[in-house]
Amino acid sequence: DTGVSQDPRHKITKRGQNVTFRCDPISEHNRLYWYRQTLGQGPEFLTYFQNEAQLEKSRLLSDRFSAERPKGSFSTLEIQRTEQGDSAMYLCASSGPGQRGYNEQFFGPGTRLTVL
Amino acid sequence: QKEVEQDPGPLSVPEGAIVSLNCTYSNSAFQYFMWYRQYSRKGPELLMYTYSSGNKEDGRFTAQVDKSSKYISLFIRDSQPSDSATYLCAPGLLSGGYNKLIFGAGTRLAVHP
Repeated sequence: DTGVSQDPRHKITKRGQNVTFRCDPISEHNRLYWYRQTLGQGPEFLTYFQNEAQLEKSRLLSDRFSAERPKGSFSTLEIQRTEQGDSAMYLCASSGPGQRGYNEQFFGPGTRLTVL
Repeated sequence: QKEVEQDPGPLSVPEGAIVSLNCTYSNSAFQYFMWYRQYSRKGPELLMYTYSSGNKEDGRFTAQVDKSSKYISLFIRDSQPSDSATYLCAPGLLSGGYNKLIFGAGTRLAVHP
């Protein structure tokens, strides 16, 4: 296992379309996070899963956003009726037992979304 | 006021220089302090983290935390062109059973040969 993977890496869509992103965490990690990063800003927390349970959601996560983590493995983030303001990098991170413990969040390469 | 403030730079230095990157934060509840490095079009990677006030060294990198003044620093000695990246400070705390990180906006560093 080489790290957190995300698919697709890039997505261009038209306003109003739905998009779905996938994240595969490091296999032994039971904690999974989604962040959004816009140009010139640091990542902003969106939501957190422990195993399959979604335990925390940011106010940034409007009702057009939904995230799932069936069976506590991979996760999906869906955005419905995309808006131009949704254009950003969507980052997934995972954490779990390891040398640095749960504090270290390992990030994937991100999915860059462009809404036209 | 943002919870974590970080000078966005860009900071341009010659190879071999000592680099100082800084953050301030407002929430005294933060329990640990992380520095992430992010290369262009990549995800952030953890460089260092510390729990307490004081210094922590790892190779060419030194993280410094002053909880009394809510000030975080990262020093890079003998900077290399490969250090050119955006550096994100991220204080964190346990909240609702998970590790909540609040990222600064990042400082862009360019080390030129």
